[in-house]
Amino acid sequence: AQSVTQLDSQVPVFEEAPVELRCNYSSSVSVYLFWYVQYPNQGLQLLLKYLSGSTLVKGINGFEAEFNKSQTSFHLRKPSVHISDTAEYFCAVSAMNSGYSTLTFGKGTMLLVSP
Amino acid sequence: DAGVTQSPTHLIKTRGQQVTLRCSPKSGHDTVSWYQQALGQGPQFIFQYYEEEERQRGNFPDRFSGHQFPNYSSELNVNALLLGDSALYLCASSLMGSENNQPQHFGDGTRLSIL
Repeated sequence: AQSVTQLDSQVPVFEEAPVELRCNYSSSVSVYLFWYVQYPNQGLQLLLKYLSGSTLVKGINGFEAEFNKSQTSFHLRKPSVHISDTAEYFCAVSAMNSGYSTLTFGKGTMLLVSP
Repeated sequence: DAGVTQSPTHLIKTRGQQVTLRCSPKSGHDTVSWYQQALGQGPQFIFQYYEEEERQRGNFPDRFSGHQFPNYSSELNVNALLLGDSALYLCASSLMGSENNQPQHFGDGTRLSIL
């Protein structure tokens, strides 16, 4: 089984400042890693994913994340945030080599960007 | 290219009633997963359907059941509704055989309120 811990329930930040949203996971098998964003009254939109290859992955809207296997982390970063980035962000994992694999999510981090 | 569509968008029921939620997967996808997202929480996996059969199931009681049709669309049924079933129900679709059946694409969800 897998579990995901998002260390901050809420992250307030000023516009144009950098931000990091933290994610740690636990798993007895290798995993794929994902970040999703959820805007109010909407479903989840995939920001980026790590399936294999380079541990630094770039996603949409200027976000990037780095997979650190030794620290079992997959932190999300953006060098300069906009007001429109205000949303809930979810980190998720999926067990590798499982044909019917599913997603295990963290509890989410609310990113609040103010002017 | 139509994404994942869910209906209805909102639903109000009373305790003890039964409800059916519907999902049409993204064009070209053949696998449907259902998630429950309680207020302030991350989504939790309910079950996954492929080739009209339930392939994986999360930790949900038998009151939660589903179905997949030959056109890959799916239904989620919940019987004997409880107040705790109030949540956003998300449908996600993916293509079996793609890398670990990922990524999953989500619909905007059905908001179910139990009175």
